Amino acid sequence: NAGVMQNPRHLVRRRGQEARLRCSPMKGHSHVYWYRQLPEEGLKFMVYLQKENIIDESGMPKERFSAEFPKEGPSILRIQQVVRGDSAAYFCASSPIRSSGMYTQYFGPGTRLTVL
Amino acid sequence: AQTVTQSQPEMSVQEAETVTLSCTYDTSESDYYLFWYKQPPSRQMILVIRQEAYKQQNATENRFSVNFQKAAKSFSLKISDSQLGDAAMYFCAYRGAYRDDKIIFGKGTRLHILP
Repeated sequence: NAGVMQNPRHLVRRRGQEARLRCSPMKGHSHVYWYRQLPEEGLKFMVYLQKENIIDESGMPKERFSAEFPKEGPSILRIQQVVRGDSAAYFCASSPIRSSGMYTQYFGPGTRLTVL
Repeated sequence: AQTVTQSQPEMSVQEAETVTLSCTYDTSESDYYLFWYKQPPSRQMILVIRQEAYKQQNATENRFSVNFQKAAKSFSLKISDSQLGDAAMYFCAYRGAYRDDKIIFGKGTRLHILP
């Protein structure tokens, strides 16, 4: 059973460009979470999605950031008009059902975004 | 709001020795879960150990064990017989049992293993 897949692993963008990060959850998982890790920091929650629904986006910046998890295909985290402060590692995690505590969120390897 | 604090940015331990990483948290919830994650240079997040707050018995996974003090809101990780492969960032994390789906992470402790 393949784990959570994220691509690309490394992404370089110039200021003002768009960044699109993809996450394919584990097989059978319908819940996806995105976290951001700034340099020398812990991971911070951004958004929680089910298929075609955003459940909790309380950690998402209000502007330039959006996320989706369509019925078919991977979840996408989109950052428009990137700025240097967006440089970070972005992690995706998935779980089989709404993760009430003990059910583990399985993490992908992350995408490292560098904004020049 | 829940918070997780790791007061040791870096620690070093001699190979084969024992080391304890500290973590405190703050919450008003009565039921929750606590985790320790390991992040090696590959940056992959690896779950090391987890603890249910309603269980008094401390969790153990091979060389890894925790000291869970609910009243003090303390959750330390003990690594016995440290190995070179244990070198990594270690994150303490919290998750509510009912309402919250997100995991709240501390800032991490970088552990160095000295040969």
